[in-house]
Amino acid sequence: RKEVEQDPGPFNVPEGATVAFNCTYSNSASQSFFWYRQDCRKEPKLLMSVYSSGNEDGRFTAQLNRASQYISLLIRDSKLSDSATYLCVVNSGANDYKLSFGAGTTVTVRA
Amino acid sequence: ETGVTQTPRHLVMGMTNKKSLKCEQHLGHNAMYWYKQSAKKPLELMFVYSLEERVENNSVPSRFSPECPNSSHLFLHLHTLQPEDSALYLCASSQEYWAGGNTIYFGEGSWLTVV
Repeated sequence: RKEVEQDPGPFNVPEGATVAFNCTYSNSASQSFFWYRQDCRKEPKLLMSVYSSGNEDGRFTAQLNRASQYISLLIRDSKLSDSATYLCVVNSGANDYKLSFGAGTTVTVRA
Repeated sequence: ETGVTQTPRHLVMGMTNKKSLKCEQHLGHNAMYWYKQSAKKPLELMFVYSLEERVENNSVPSRFSPECPNSSHLFLHLHTLQPEDSALYLCASSQEYWAGGNTIYFGEGSWLTVV
């Protein structure tokens, strides 16, 4: 089983729509979770960390479900500029902060 | 402007060539990384340096040779590559080596095509 698995998409949504997708991780001892954004032919950049209680950053909401071992990202009121690949990143386990990356979920927002 | 810069941004090389990728970080970080990103695949960690010492080498073929002369610079020397080595090579840095709470920052990447 892969350490981090994501639905590759693409998720094609109209502007203004809400889009959400999940990422599952295999190690129940993982403690650090992140979403990175990667634009086409660019480097990944940190979008947000994911906290146990869930957190929001503007139109972006991240949730953690430890019981089912997944994290989610929800984008409200999608903008054209949200079109990107979203990488799920998880540390390897308790006290092991090596990061594992998912292959990414592609989101395309259309006018 | 990114705190991690990579050169060249694009490189086309023959299988018999020798070339190098360069990375410089301006963030005062102690750890630097090389990743390989192939289409539709997760980032693959290649090498990790902490305070100029190589601390990880993840079964990377010897045709890839890293060098870290100081904590701000990282090189990836390439020789006798194969076409399947064509990919985006990303350099990254973080404050410490795999420490909790660290954020990892990436350079813009070097697009490598082996012909």
